[in-house]
Amino acid sequence: EVQLVESGGDLVQPGRSLRLSCVASGFTFDTYAMHWVRQAPGKGLEWVSSISWNSGTIRYADSVKGRFTISRDNAKNSLYLQMNSLRSEDMALYYCAALGSDYWGQGTLVSVSS
Amino acid sequence: AIQMTQSPSSLSASVGDRVTVTCRASQGIRNDLGWYQQKPGKAPKLLIYAASSLQSGVPLRFSGSGSGTNFTLTISSLQPEDFATYYCLQDYNYPWTFGQGTKVEIK
Repeated sequence: EVQLVESGGDLVQPGRSLRLSCVASGFTFDTYAMHWVRQAPGKGLEWVSSISWNSGTIRYADSVKGRFTISRDNAKNSLYLQMNSLRSEDMALYYCAALGSDYWGQGTLVSVSS
Repeated sequence: AIQMTQSPSSLSASVGDRVTVTCRASQGIRNDLGWYQQKPGKAPKLLIYAASSLQSGVPLRFSGSGSGTNFTLTISSLQPEDFATYYCLQDYNYPWTFGQGTKVEIK
């Protein structure tokens, strides 16, 4: 059974940092490009970032470029999102996904408020 | 970045109705477009990929068409389980972009 389990979401103050994690199982993680997609409360979906299977190609949405860093550890079947300089508009449910095969986690909630 | 303009933003329909949702890209994206269904509290689910290919396990009442800049998702006969929000996603180039969503509600 394919599973993607995100963690690390929390309530943080503006300007602070947070690191999200996603652990994969049930598929060959190290052959898949992985993505982070977010959804603000009551809003639509926003693609955030992607990383190729070997970390050789990394892309970001303009809204997070320079503040967020995506990474992966294939030995640990894990995907990460380091989020710095958090803003109120970053508040959302963050999904880890292998979009090419439609594998999604359940999401982890990031709240940004003073 | 490519803008995806989805319409309508919401619609009311009855069981059995034919429903059409459209997505327009701000520039040509070949057929690099997918359609997703999202129900409240759940992760999105892929319905259509490459504009017109039905994802495995998705009912045949769902279909997609289009290429270039104009795309359509059609539900031929709306079922109770189809009431949800639908999104298009272009994966032609980065940054990938979603449409703003279409909420399909019960009339």
